Amino acid sequence: SYELTQPPSVSVSPGQTASITCSGDKLGNKYSSWYQHKAGQSPVLVIYKDQKRPSGIPERFSGSKSGNTATLTVSGTQTMDEADYYCQAWDSSNAVFGGGTKLAVL
Amino acid sequence: EVQLVESGGGLVQPGGSLRLSCAASGFMFSTYWMSWVRQAPGKGLEWVAYIKQDGSETYYVDSLKGRFSFSRDNTKNSLYLQMNSLRAEDTAVYYCVRGGRPLEDAFDIWGQGTMVTVSS
Repeated sequence: SYELTQPPSVSVSPGQTASITCSGDKLGNKYSSWYQHKAGQSPVLVIYKDQKRPSGIPERFSGSKSGNTATLTVSGTQTMDEADYYCQAWDSSNAVFGGGTKLAVL
Repeated sequence: EVQLVESGGGLVQPGGSLRLSCAASGFMFSTYWMSWVRQAPGKGLEWVAYIKQDGSETYYVDSLKGRFSFSRDNTKNSLYLQMNSLRAEDTAVYYCVRGGRPLEDAFDIWGQGTMVTVSS
């Protein structure tokens, strides 16, 4: 079955830039999406189609892709950005999520 | 306001059944593919199933095929997930989400989730 690999955790100081990667076989040929999930809340879509940002999502969230690795970048990270982040892609008719990355803002 | 509201979760014994519902509002429900996504305690997100706009096509994650059934009623702006032969590993928060067209859609609207606990 298809797998997306994310680092379990990323730490960043407030105001700095955080990067979270997501790698998968032939991910370069698929659209990737990113979701923010804070404890006790529902997930929120922050990036879709690799680099598009939904309305209402702050500009500090950006997405990119190089080869088979997608990257979510949070610029000028704020304490409110502390959350779990999941990448997602489609493999044929299956939607697949990465294992999630806990972003700690220390 | 665009909204998805799930209901029907609860405690059920192994081997039992449960029917989840999701009420949609604030958007043209009948034009969207829809999905269910779940999160087991301490685990990550797992896509469960999708359904096409008119209900003519459904697809499930391999581990669930034959036990769960996804349907919709566009006259009531509602989704239903019939879960049979439930197992302990089905214990999770189940989210109703907008989106599900393969290879294209992201999941852009999420409900608040409903908890399903399978335990004796």
